[in-house]
Amino acid sequence: EVQLVESGGGLVQPGGSLRLSCAASGFTFSNYWMTWVRQAPGKGLEWVANIKQDGSERYYVDSVKGRFTISRDNIKNSLYLQMNSLRAEDTAVYYCARGGQQLVHWGQGTLVTVSS
Amino acid sequence: EIVMTQSPATLSVSPGERATLSCRASQSVNSNLAWYQLKPGQAPRLLIYGASTRATDIPARFSGSGSGTEFTLTISSLQSEDFALYYCQQYNNWPRTFGQGTKVEIK
Repeated sequence: EVQLVESGGGLVQPGGSLRLSCAASGFTFSNYWMTWVRQAPGKGLEWVANIKQDGSERYYVDSVKGRFTISRDNIKNSLYLQMNSLRAEDTAVYYCARGGQQLVHWGQGTLVTVSS
Repeated sequence: EIVMTQSPATLSVSPGERATLSCRASQSVNSNLAWYQLKPGQAPRLLIYGASTRATDIPARFSGSGSGTEFTLTISSLQSEDFALYYCQQYNNWPRTFGQGTKVEIK
């Protein structure tokens, strides 16, 4: 069974940093693109970042470019999102998902709150 | 960036009736279009990909159509569990983008 479990969310002050993790199991992690998607309170879904199987390609939504970094560890079957210079508008539930096109498998999400 | 526009924002439908949701892309995405269902406290659920292919275990009352810039998700006979938010998403270009969502509510 495919499982994706996010962790690392919490309360952080504006300008602060946070690193999200996503532990994957039940499939061959190194065979798949991986994705971070977020949903701000009362808002819709927003595609945040993608990473190719070997990490050689990464894509970001404009609003996080230069602040967020997606990475992966294919030995640890884990996906990461390093978030720096956080802003109030980054407050959201962050989901990791398997794939880079349609997203079949999702985690349950981790809440990031940026507030002073 | 491709902008995905969904309409209507809210759709009020009675159980058993048909619901038709629209999604328009700012430029062609070919058939690289997915639909998701989102309920409070749950992870999104993929319904349709390739504009018209139902995902695994998705009931036949859900159907998708369209290509290029105009897409439709139809729920043929609404069940109580179908009242939720629905999002379209293109995967033809980077970055991938979602529509702003359509809320299907009980009339």
